[in-house]
Amino acid sequence: DAGVIQSPRHEVTEMGQEVTLRCKPISGHNSLFWYRQTMMRGLELLIYFNNNVPIDDSGMPEDRFSAKMPNASFSTLKIQPSEPRDSAVYFCASRATDTQYFGPGTRLTVL
Amino acid sequence: AQSVTQPDIHITVSEGASLELRCNYSYGATPYLFWYVQSPGQGLQLLLKYFSGDTLVQGIKGFEAEFKRSQSSFNLRKPSVHWSDAAEYFCAVGAPGGSYIPTFGRGTSLIVHP
Repeated sequence: DAGVIQSPRHEVTEMGQEVTLRCKPISGHNSLFWYRQTMMRGLELLIYFNNNVPIDDSGMPEDRFSAKMPNASFSTLKIQPSEPRDSAVYFCASRATDTQYFGPGTRLTVL
Repeated sequence: AQSVTQPDIHITVSEGASLELRCNYSYGATPYLFWYVQSPGQGLQLLLKYFSGDTLVQGIKGFEAEFKRSQSSFNLRKPSVHWSDAAEYFCAVGAPGGSYIPTFGRGTSLIVHP
């Protein structure tokens, strides 16, 4: 299995621009998680999907952030408009039963 | 609510020395427990996990961890550290059940001196 796939691996954008991060979970996994990692706050859960349905989005920082999972094999995290404080590494993880598997992350830099 | 504490932000060891990374959790019953490793520029990789049964758990890369209910701890150990073990280590806890949401510690950065 290819594991969790994230794209792009690196994204540099300017403040105010829209950013879309993509994730392909491991085939057969029915839960998907988006995390943000920063030095200041560590690893934060942003949103959790189960069977393509958002279950817990209490970690989404504000309305500028949105996430979708249109099908079992694809999810997006969108930031619009982006701000410098959104600079972080964003991880996607998927799970079938009891163990999460993480993707390699997308390093986002907002100038 | 569940929580997890990794008391050590940084740990420095010499190559070949033994290692123990501490993890303490807060949860009313026996939780799911995990250790992950993150190498620079990489995602988190699962080292080992504990759900029930034998309290000493073997993982990949020669790591093991011991669940101690009386101390609410799940410390990670390795008898002889290699330079390639230098990385960030995360402990995580989750309430048992198929839809659990894990809580991660802040991580411990392991530095290995030659």
